[in-house]
Amino acid sequence: GAVVSQHPSRVICKSGTSVKIECRSLDFQATTMFWYRQFPKQSLMLMATSNEGSKATYEQGVEKDKFLINHASLTLSTLTVTSAHPEDSSFYICSALDRIEPPGTEAFFGQGTRLTVV
Amino acid sequence: GQQVMQIPQYQHVQEGEDFTTYCNSSTTLSNIQWYKQRPGGHPVFLIQLVKSGEVKKQKRLTFQFGEAKKNSSLHITATQTTDVGTYFCAGGKWETSGSRLTFGEGTQLTVNP
Repeated sequence: GAVVSQHPSRVICKSGTSVKIECRSLDFQATTMFWYRQFPKQSLMLMATSNEGSKATYEQGVEKDKFLINHASLTLSTLTVTSAHPEDSSFYICSALDRIEPPGTEAFFGQGTRLTVV
Repeated sequence: GQQVMQIPQYQHVQEGEDFTTYCNSSTTLSNIQWYKQRPGGHPVFLIQLVKSGEVKKQKRLTFQFGEAKKNSSLHITATQTTDVGTYFCAGGKWETSGSRLTFGEGTQLTVNP
């Protein structure tokens, strides 16, 4: 199957600093990528949909000024957590759709990033 | 908005017992996908169902998509310790803005040897 690479896998940062997470589709072009947040033993919570060349679509309750998403190319989307606080500590996962024609879409996930804000 | 509910939240079984998780959508879906997430890992795609009433099998796993394309189930026969993990369903729907997946809460399966 297709490969999505997410980097870094783990990051520890000080409160008030910003952290950038990269999500790359290695062997296919992804016009759409998704960013999720996952709390321990809970489901994936969709944060935003990242569309190549346009502004991301944020889910209700997600602060777009805090979670900056950039999808500058067909293979790269980045999530920047700005002015991070301890409550932002979580597992962040990206996914990319290999095809967008209905109904043949499949989401491939990155390995996830464990963010710890101290 | 679209909601996908999954039950049960947790399931503990003895090795060799069967296991079933159920997924229900508030709206009609284009497709349903199932993922498995091992502890500490990321979700891995298992299968996609598209047709009304579709049934697919992967070894000991049986996946069903309801006639109304609003519910689905995953059944594991004779569980093994390697089946441990969280199973997520994801309802796929085509919208004008593109394809969208909505994940259920997941069912965490533990298997006692």
